[in-house]
Amino acid sequence: AQSVAQPEDQVNVAEGNPLTVKCTYSVSGNPYLFWYVQYPNRGLQFLLKYITGDNLVKGSYGFEAEFNKSQTSFHLKKPSALVSDSALYFCAVRDNLYSSASKIIFGSGTRLSIRP
Amino acid sequence: NAGVTQTPKFQVLKTGQSMTLQCAQDMNHNSMYWYRQDPGMGLRLIYYSASEGTTDKGEVPNGYNVSRLNKREFSLRLESAAPSQTSVYFCASSTSRGGDNGYTFGSGTRLTVV
Repeated sequence: AQSVAQPEDQVNVAEGNPLTVKCTYSVSGNPYLFWYVQYPNRGLQFLLKYITGDNLVKGSYGFEAEFNKSQTSFHLKKPSALVSDSALYFCAVRDNLYSSASKIIFGSGTRLSIRP
Repeated sequence: NAGVTQTPKFQVLKTGQSMTLQCAQDMNHNSMYWYRQDPGMGLRLIYYSASEGTTDKGEVPNGYNVSRLNKREFSLRLESAAPSQTSVYFCASSTSRGGDNGYTFGSGTRLTVV
């Protein structure tokens, strides 16, 4: 079965510094990977996805993610953090690629806190 | 604005009471989903509907039922609420069955069972 892990419950970064939120996955076959962000009292918002192609994927709000097949990782990155980036971030993987009832499995989430 | 609308936003139930959480989307999406979010556990899938007329169990279906009333609406019912069902519930929809183009989420229903 497909699964996704986010090893850090919380990441703290100073504003202006680069940030990385880690994600590792386990799939059979080619992975379909996603990042979502959740601001307080809101639903999740889609940030970016990797399905095929370049290993570096660019998404919303200046975020990007690097797909690394050998390390089975899909880390979220941003060159310069903003206080407004503070939120809960979820990595996700699509399960059961060959089923018409395929769906997305979410990680446990990483809380990103950017200090001024 | 187009999107996913959930009602109610907040609800307090007594143990044993029943209620239905409503979800509607106006994006002509085929697939719809119900998740619950609990601290430290991320989002767990309760039920989903890959297309109109079909529903399937997710990871944590016990104590819940769903109805895909039409393409727009997907409701979640708690027949006899229990304190363990205290959670934030999110409805989501997607164009493709696997969510390859991303899920659109509602703003959530915060449910407390006392």
